[in-house]
Amino acid sequence: QKEVEQDPGPLSVPEGAIVSLNCTYSNSAFQYFMWYRQYSRKGPELLMYTYSSGNKEDGRFTAQVDKSSKYISLFIRDSQPSDSATYLCAMSAWNNDMRFGAGTRLTVKP
Amino acid sequence: GAGVSQSPSNKVTEKGKDVELRCDPISGHTALYWYRQSLGQGLEFLIYFQGNSAPDKSGLPSDRFSAERTGGSVSTLTIQRTQQEDSAVYLCASSLGISGTDTQYFGPGTRLTVL
Repeated sequence: QKEVEQDPGPLSVPEGAIVSLNCTYSNSAFQYFMWYRQYSRKGPELLMYTYSSGNKEDGRFTAQVDKSSKYISLFIRDSQPSDSATYLCAMSAWNNDMRFGAGTRLTVKP
Repeated sequence: GAGVSQSPSNKVTEKGKDVELRCDPISGHTALYWYRQSLGQGLEFLIYFQGNSAPDKSGLPSDRFSAERTGGSVSTLTIQRTQQEDSAVYLCASSLGISGTDTQYFGPGTRLTVL
């Protein structure tokens, strides 16, 4: 079993849809949770960062962490074609030794 | 300011040749990381540097892989006697420190193809 599981998709939605991306993990020591967005042939860029459990909202993006279930989510409201990218979840314990999911490829169709 | 840069952006090599990949981190970032990204596999952690020191090299896939960092800045990842399974995108990231709160900033990657 991988330390971090993420459905690679691909996921295709119409413009304006709500997108839900998820990851599960097995290491209970993880306490820092991140979502990275990666456009084709580019490096990942940090999108959202959450410490421990709870929700965090930034514009159209909401990150949720449920440590009791070892489950994290990223929601994108009013999705736009420019949101088309691969979304990677990442997490770490006390240090910056991050573990990444496989990434979910998202396409938002106009 | 400048972000993380990597060179070359693309490298095609023949099986058995050695390759050297370069990473220039963001100025002032003490931590530097190397990852490998294969299709559909996510990011595989290879090695990290705190300053010029790499505390743990166990993430390197084999003894054909080595990395060094000099002057607390530029890092090179060297793959000797390349194999076809080494084909992947090699990503470098840097951060201010190694705390879990220190954001890692990624470079654009080097796409390595071993024929």
